[in-house]
This record gives sequence, C-alpha cells and structure tokens, in this order.
Amino acid sequence: ETGVTQSPTHLIKTRGQQVTLRCSSQSGHNTVSWYQQALGQGPQFIFQYYREEENGRGNFPPRFSGLQFPNYSSELNVNALELDDSALYLCASSRTSLETQYFGPGTRLLVL
Amino acid sequence: SQKIEQNSEALNIQEGKTATLTCNYTNYSPAYLQWYRQDPGRGPVFLLLIRENEKEKRKERLKVTFDTTLKQSLFHITASQPADSATYLCALADAGGTSYGKLTFGQGTILTVHP
Repeated sequence: ETGVTQSPTHLIKTRGQQVTLRCSSQSGHNTVSWYQQALGQGPQFIFQYYREEENGRGNFPPRFSGLQFPNYSSELNVNALELDDSALYLCASSRTSLETQYFGPGTRLLVL
Repeated sequence: SQKIEQNSEALNIQEGKTATLTCNYTNYSPAYLQWYRQDPGRGPVFLLLIRENEKEKRKERLKVTFDTTLKQSLFHITASQPADSATYLCALADAGGTSYGKLTFGQGTILTVHP
C-alpha cells in the first residue's frame, strides 16, 4: 500500500459535463502529480503541484485544472468533458519533484 | 522530439526463466529512470529507481541497468514466477526547465509467465 488514496473509484459522466476527482497524498509529501492513462498506454503527465502551486504542466488543455490543499489532499477538475477524456486518472505523491512518485489506485472515468 | 520505447508490447516466458525487458529513449537527459509494475485496473507500483550516474541496481530477484551512452535500460526478473505476470512500465524523470520532475512513461510491456 502506498498510502495514496483516490475517490471515487469509478465515475460515469456525459459529454459536456464537469468532473472533480480527489486524491489524498502520503503524509509529508508536498508534491502531487496527476496522470491520464488511456487503455493500453502508459500514463501521460497532466500537471504537478508543489506546496499548492502548479509546478509543471503537460500537453493538456486549460479545461484540465487542479488544486492542492495544505492537508495533503488535491483535486483534478475537468470541464466540458469529451469522449476522449475516458481514461484511468492517477495521482502520485512524492516528497519533492525529483523523488520517487507513489501512485494511488486511480479513478476510472467513462464519458458517454 | 523526446521518445521512450519499450521494446515489445508482450513477452511470454516459462516459469523459472529470466525475463528481460528493454527501455530505449531519445532526446532526453534524464535525472533518473524508474520501473513500475501495473496490474489491470490498478495504479502503477514503484519497483526500482536508478540514477544517471549509476550502472546497476538490484532488489531481490529484480535487476535494472542504465546505459546513458546507449540511452537504454534493461530490467531483469530472475527465477520468474506466474505471480510476476503484469504490465511493466519504464519512466524517465526530467531534470530541467518547465518539465522538472515530470515522469514520462513508455507504453509498457505485458509480461506473462507460464507455469
């Protein structure tokens, strides 16, 4: 067990809706990263937060946004959902940006 | 452009043999490379990390090598068991610019160990 939890485990939304996914990092881990994993692919980096500030972003549009809170929890928000947003969303926590990232179990999002 | 490739999508071996998985990269100067195991529908589980100035790391039946000249990492599982069957992912960590700390993953290799 990594100590990283995510909720919900599964979610079904329709195109155009908005979704919020949640993550609770390991205690003492100031960095949280979010990844999107399509079926049969490796995880793709969405963005990273360090001490509540965005600290790097991958090739994802602005409708993907995030928040990190002082209590080691974080959120990934996706607006105007598209069918291609269907994927496993993973959060990973680490003590700093360049230390090992420990992943949660993921949230499986299906957009219809 | 930056690219990470794991040499095969699937690898089938007999129990007891050594599994060798390959990860090649181009246009990177990684700070380190990691290997993860992922079971279906689950998050990746960290296995080993090797830094750019290290040649080899071992952990129980696992061994990873890192050749920054060849831009290649090899991941070995010795005395493989059916329980080792999973998808194995390699990931590189960027050390500079706006991508600091970002992990870039290969597409994964599905390992199946037959009894």
